[in-house]
Amino acid sequence: KNEVEQSPQNLTAQEGEFITINCSYSVGISALHWLQQHPGGGIVSLFMLSSGKKKHGRLIATINIQEKHSSLHITASHPRDSAVYICAVPRMDSNYQLIWGAGTKLIIKP
Amino acid sequence: NAGVTQTPKFQVLKTGQSMTLQCAQDMNHEYMSWYRQDPGMGLRLIHYSVGAGITDQGEVPNGYNVSRSTTEDFPLRLLSAAPSQTSVYFCASSRDSAINIQYFGAGTRLSVL
Repeated sequence: KNEVEQSPQNLTAQEGEFITINCSYSVGISALHWLQQHPGGGIVSLFMLSSGKKKHGRLIATINIQEKHSSLHITASHPRDSAVYICAVPRMDSNYQLIWGAGTKLIIKP
Repeated sequence: NAGVTQTPKFQVLKTGQSMTLQCAQDMNHEYMSWYRQDPGMGLRLIHYSVGAGITDQGEVPNGYNVSRSTTEDFPLRLLSAAPSQTSVYFCASSRDSAINIQYFGAGTRLSVL
């Protein structure tokens, strides 16, 4: 069983819809990362959070440490949000290695 | 600010050839890492470094060498390329560990024939 599980694997939605992507992890963590990989391949860090909630534009990330769960929300989705969204957490035994989720492929249709 | 710069963007090698993938960052980051990403799969850590002169193996180190002589540069060497090393390679850096925000290079697409 992967230590980081993302759901759904694939998500197709219409422009304007509210999007939620989930990430569950099985180990205690000091931080959780959300990243975006564009269709062209580039990877961009969206959030790093260790508690509560962070917001950047139309993106919101939340984390519940007790439940070992994080969500990434996109409000008023747009076709340019189409990408793979990945969560990752540092290994318990090493702050220098990340455990990566498999990613959620999001397609927003106009 | 250039961030993390990887060269080349594309490379085709023949089996048995060697080459070096370059990675440089201008953010004075201590932590740098190399990943490979195979089609439909997630990122896998090859090697990482926590500062000049300090490197360590990741999940899939075989067939790759690294060194870190300066804070800025972290080259990845393929000693004798194999078709199994066909992949997209990403270099990343952060302030001091995997806990902090990761900055990625644009990637190098490598094909080994």
